[in-house]
Amino acid sequence: GAVVSQHPSWVICKSGTSVKIECRSLDFQATTMFWYRQFPKQSLMLMATSNEGSKATYEQGVEKDKFLINHASLTLSTLTVTSAHPEDSSFYICSASGGRYTGELFFGEGSRLTVL
Amino acid sequence: QKEVEQDPGPLSVPEGAIVSLNCTYSNSAFQYFMWYRQYSRKGPELLMYTYSSGNKEDGRFTAQVDKSSKYISLFIRDSQPSDSATYLCAIGGNNRLAFGKGNQVVVIP
Repeated sequence: GAVVSQHPSWVICKSGTSVKIECRSLDFQATTMFWYRQFPKQSLMLMATSNEGSKATYEQGVEKDKFLINHASLTLSTLTVTSAHPEDSSFYICSASGGRYTGELFFGEGSRLTVL
Repeated sequence: QKEVEQDPGPLSVPEGAIVSLNCTYSNSAFQYFMWYRQYSRKGPELLMYTYSSGNKEDGRFTAQVDKSSKYISLFIRDSQPSDSATYLCAIGGNNRLAFGKGNQVVVIP
């Protein structure tokens, strides 16, 4: 099946610094990628929809200046958490649309961010 | 009312038992229904996909959809310890995808 790679899988940073997470579709072209965050024992919460070559569409309540999304190519989308704070600590997951079925998504392995 | 409701309560079953999971949804415009399995600290992986009412089987897994009741279910027969994971329902349509909270399932050897 299709593979989506996410990097880094773990990151620890100091409060106030910025962290970039990469999401790559390895064997297919993904015109649309999605970014989620997941708190412990909670479901995935969609943060934004990223379309190649255009601005991301953010869900209500998600600060677009804090969570910068860039989808510069058909195989790469990046999420940058700017001026990270401890409350930003979470599990961030990307997914890409490219399966056989409408709406089928392939997920990355996730990135666990801990902000000290 | 949330778009998708899934009781997140942990579920422990002995090996070989049938696991039964379900979700309800509120928007009748949703067109396709999925179950994802997520192991600890991993991304979700698609387990079952269906877009019509009725049952769909794949090995030990059966997905059931009742559009009239807005109710979907996942059954796991002959459960194995390797089935221990969190199971998320996802319902989509009109370029939207909504996830349930997930059910943590533990299969005890």
